[in-house]
Amino acid sequence: AQSVTQPDIHITVSEGASLELRCNYSYGATPYLFWYVQSPGQGLQLLLKYFSGDTLVQGIKGFEAEFKRSQSSFNLRKPSVHWSDAAEYFCAVRAVQTGANNLFFGTGTRLTVIP
Amino acid sequence: DGGITQSPKYLFRKEGQNVTLSCEQNLNHDAMYWYRQDPGQGLRLIYYSQIVNDFQKGDIAEGYSVSREKKESFPLTVTSAQKNPTAFYLCASSKTGIYGYTFGSGTRLTVV
Repeated sequence: AQSVTQPDIHITVSEGASLELRCNYSYGATPYLFWYVQSPGQGLQLLLKYFSGDTLVQGIKGFEAEFKRSQSSFNLRKPSVHWSDAAEYFCAVRAVQTGANNLFFGTGTRLTVIP
Repeated sequence: DGGITQSPKYLFRKEGQNVTLSCEQNLNHDAMYWYRQDPGQGLRLIYYSQIVNDFQKGDIAEGYSVSREKKESFPLTVTSAQKNPTAFYLCASSKTGIYGYTFGSGTRLTVV
């Protein structure tokens, strides 16, 4: 069965510092992986996705993520964090069910940005 | 612009009442989903629908019901059988195939 683990519940970084949010997945075949961001009281917005090909994918708002099959990881990175990046971040993997496009989500990582 | 509209944004329910959360999309997406979000638990799938007049249970369907009479609409009813309904509910849609979801802005349901 598919599962996603985000080991960090809460991360605090200084504005301008680099950021890496961890995501590990459990899946037998090539996974389809996603990162979403959620501002308080809002829905989720897609940051980036990986289906195949280049293992380093670029997304919106200056984020990127790297797929590492050997480590079953899909970590999200940003070289310089802005105060507006404070939000909750969710990693997700697509389910296997035939014909369905269901996503399984991790429990999220809350990012706090300090001046 | 296309998108997903969830209403109302806030909803209060008395014990024993059924309430219906609205979800409408104008993206021409075939698939629609309902998730429940609780602090520290991420998103859990309640129901999903890939085509009109068809839907499947997700991981936590007990105490919930849905309908999909139109492509654009996928309302969720929280019944009195749902013992702990207070949560943030998110509706999403996607194209058929392997695509990311577009989410609505959510409905916060509180039992009073």
